[in-house]
Amino acid sequence: SQELEQSPQSLIVQEGKNLTINCTSSKTLYGLYWYKQKYGEGLIFLMMLQKGGEEKSHEKITAKLDEKKQQSSLHITASQPSHAGIYLCGAAGSARQLTFGSGTQLTVLP
Amino acid sequence: DTAVSQTPKYLVTQMGNDKSIKCEQNLGHDTMYWYKQDSKKFLKIMFSYNNKELIINETVPNRFSPKSPDKAHLNLHINSLELGDSAVYFCASSQNGWGQSSYEQYFGPGTRLTVT
Repeated sequence: SQELEQSPQSLIVQEGKNLTINCTSSKTLYGLYWYKQKYGEGLIFLMMLQKGGEEKSHEKITAKLDEKKQQSSLHITASQPSHAGIYLCGAAGSARQLTFGSGTQLTVLP
Repeated sequence: DTAVSQTPKYLVTQMGNDKSIKCEQNLGHDTMYWYKQDSKKFLKIMFSYNNKELIINETVPNRFSPKSPDKAHLNLHINSLELGDSAVYFCASSQNGWGQSSYEQYFGPGTRLTVT
């Protein structure tokens, strides 16, 4: 079965700093999803990457999928307190289910 | 307006009881899911239903029984609750045809179950 490993497990940054979260898969990724979860809330879809080398941006968040399609990174530029939460990467399975990484808890200090 | 809704949001109950969590989506999606998030925030698939048919049943105790009365609803019934069942349960839905590669899922707000 596919396993996803995220690093770091937790991250504390000062507001305005840049940061990167990594997601590494044990198998080739055919669809990699990034979600954000705020405490006590459901998951919010951020981005989906499919092609090797693909890069997508939304506001100050950029996600990339490497050429070999086994690693993805999520980069936040000029972080804000509103970016705080748990970031989860998910890989699409053959039966449509998502296998998630262990998550990265992001705290942004004002 | 809510796309995927779950009730209740919080559920506190004693060991041995039977409880249900309800999920409804108004997105017209074909597929619905139940995920469990443990205390370490690890989110894992439990069940997947497509057009009321069970597609995935991960290694979940048979005390957990999903029921899909129609395409828009997927309820989760749990018998003989145990302490280890305490977690946040998320319902999700997606719209896919077979062969499509986009599996974007829409999640409900979660139900925090505490078993005492």
